[in-house]
Order: sequence, then structure tokens, then C-alpha cells
Amino acid sequence: GAGVSQSPSNKVTEKGKDVELRCDPISGHTALYWYRQSLGQGLEFLIYFQGNSAPDKSGLPSDRFSAERTGGSVSTLTIQRTQQEDSAVYLCASSLATSGRIQETQYFGPGTRLLVL
Amino acid sequence: AQSVTQLGSHVSVSEGALVLLRCNYSSSVPPYLFWYVQYPNQGLQLLLKYTSAATLVKGINGFEAEFKKSETSFHLTKPSAHMSDAAEYFCAVNGWGAQKLVFGQGTRLTINP
Repeated sequence: GAGVSQSPSNKVTEKGKDVELRCDPISGHTALYWYRQSLGQGLEFLIYFQGNSAPDKSGLPSDRFSAERTGGSVSTLTIQRTQQEDSAVYLCASSLATSGRIQETQYFGPGTRLLVL
Repeated sequence: AQSVTQLGSHVSVSEGALVLLRCNYSSSVPPYLFWYVQYPNQGLQLLLKYTSAATLVKGINGFEAEFKKSETSFHLTKPSAHMSDAAEYFCAVNGWGAQKLVFGQGTRLTINP
């Protein structure tokens, strides 16, 4: 079946502009994650959505970053007033519901490569 | 809290040789451990995972890893390297009740002909 898809695959923007990154999870997956992969920081967790629960935003680096998930499916990560340090690959992952001892596998999309000039 | 240390940012082996990628973890709760592989310009693909069942875990592409609690390690091995194994490998941990993965810094594996 179809995997996690992300768009755009590449995005070049100017410092100070806003950008939106989209993630389409695997159908039926109720958990959705955003991670950031950068040269200096490696792979970092940003935010996690699980069903109708309040998202875990503990990894968002600043209030310029926000994310939403509409209808329990598609998610959009928004970065406002982009800075050069926001340049990175933004990875989305999805999984079946995870709770307690159950650790479902996270399936990753190909990522969006963001370059802020 | 959890953390992962991957020893060696770059490992180079000859085709047909043993592959050993090292991962040590720290976790305040019983850990779940994962190895992911990333090929150039692609996302992460799960190789294998440990979730408190058998300590020796077999994954895809001939890889396996052994969970050693006493050593807090989860090293990845493959008996005979193939050119197609060249990629970046990430060890990750989460634990009971946790959802987010905490990743190591990654190890780039190069295979020499």
C-alpha cells in the first residue's frame, strides 16, 4: 500500500517568509510525528499527534513553529518568519496507535528539504 | 529520559566483511530499541526493533542486533557486507509510555569493493 507522503520534496525560501510543509500519513494510522534532521543537531523530535488527544508539542524549537492535523489525517507543519537555522530536512512519520507497552513501528516519509536563504 | 550514543560517525568495511555498528543507550524506563537505515535522499526505513521479547532480533537485509541490558547496548551486525548496504544507520530508543523516538547521531557505512 501507499506509504507516508510529504510535499513539497524541496522548498527554497527567503529569510522571514512563512512556509507550510504537508504530510499524508498511511491510511488508518492514528499517530503522526514530525522530526527534523539537520547537520548540527541530528534527528530531533518536533511534535506528535495521537487521535483526538492534545498533541505533544514538547519538541518544537520556538513559537514560530506550529502544526495541525485536520480530520485525524493530513498534517501541516508551519514555520513562520523562517530563519537560516531552520534549514533542514523535515521528516514525517506515522504509526498505528501507540500506548503503554505497545510500541508500534513508525513509518517515515521521504522528507521535505527546506533551504532558507 | 532516554539517550543514544552511536560510536563512530563513519565505518568503512570491505565487501564480504563483517559489519558492526555500535549503539549504547540510556533509559530511565524499560527501553524499546530500533535500528533505521537511510539511503541518500530518502526517508528512514526500519531494519529491526527490540520490544522486550527475544534479545536477539533479526531484521531485514540480513541484519541482526542483540539487546544486552548489562552493557546497555544494542549493536547492529551483518555477517557479510554487500555494496547495497552503503547508507546511514540510526539507532533510536523510546520506552514504556513514550511515543517519540530519540535518535543517535547516525553512522555512515561505506562498503569498499
